[in-house]
Amino acid sequence: GENVEQHPSTLSVQEGDSAVIKCTYSDSASNYFPWYKQELGKGPQLIIDIRSNVGEKKDQRIAVTLNKTAKHFSLHITETQPEDSAVYFCALVSSGSARQLTFGSGTQLTVLP
Amino acid sequence: EAGVVQSPRYKIIEKKQPVAFWCNPISGHNTLYWYRQNLGQGPELLIRYENEEAVDDSQLPKDRFSAERLKGVDSTLKIQPAELGDSAVYLCASSVSSNQPQHFGDGTRLSIL
Repeated sequence: GENVEQHPSTLSVQEGDSAVIKCTYSDSASNYFPWYKQELGKGPQLIIDIRSNVGEKKDQRIAVTLNKTAKHFSLHITETQPEDSAVYFCALVSSGSARQLTFGSGTQLTVLP
Repeated sequence: EAGVVQSPRYKIIEKKQPVAFWCNPISGHNTLYWYRQNLGQGPELLIRYENEEAVDDSQLPKDRFSAERLKGVDSTLKIQPAELGDSAVYLCASSVSSNQPQHFGDGTRLSIL
């Protein structure tokens, strides 16, 4: 199946700084790229998503960029706050994979006050 | 609107015992998914339902796992008999259709003694 590589596995930033998480993939048929935030003891929560016909999408302090040529997409969080601390997962769906959602391995983000 | 509801939240059983998980998807969501999430990893799909039909169960270990979605709403996932390696969080997700965003419940954390 499709593989998604996610980096870094852990990330610590000072409150107010920006955080960037990057994912790379290999299947050019991938066409949907959601990002999920998972807090301890909770299920993954969809925070933003982007489709392959768009290069960038922004929602308040969160943005996602997609580079189809290079096959990577990134999550950008600006003005980080302690409540942003969680595990973040990238994911994708490939049109040729029966619409299966494949997840990255996750990034533990810690925002230091 | 109410989110995806799962029960129980926690389950501790001895190996070789049976166990069942229950999921109530978001109202109006035709597609339902069961995922397994091992510690420190992203969720992995076990089975996907379109209404009451299982359309993708290729990753469900059919020798011990079974699932059903009678009437195309609630779903149950069963393991019989459970093995030590089945310890994980079992997540249910739903979406309006298979090409729409997936929304997750908080999962059932299963521990096998």
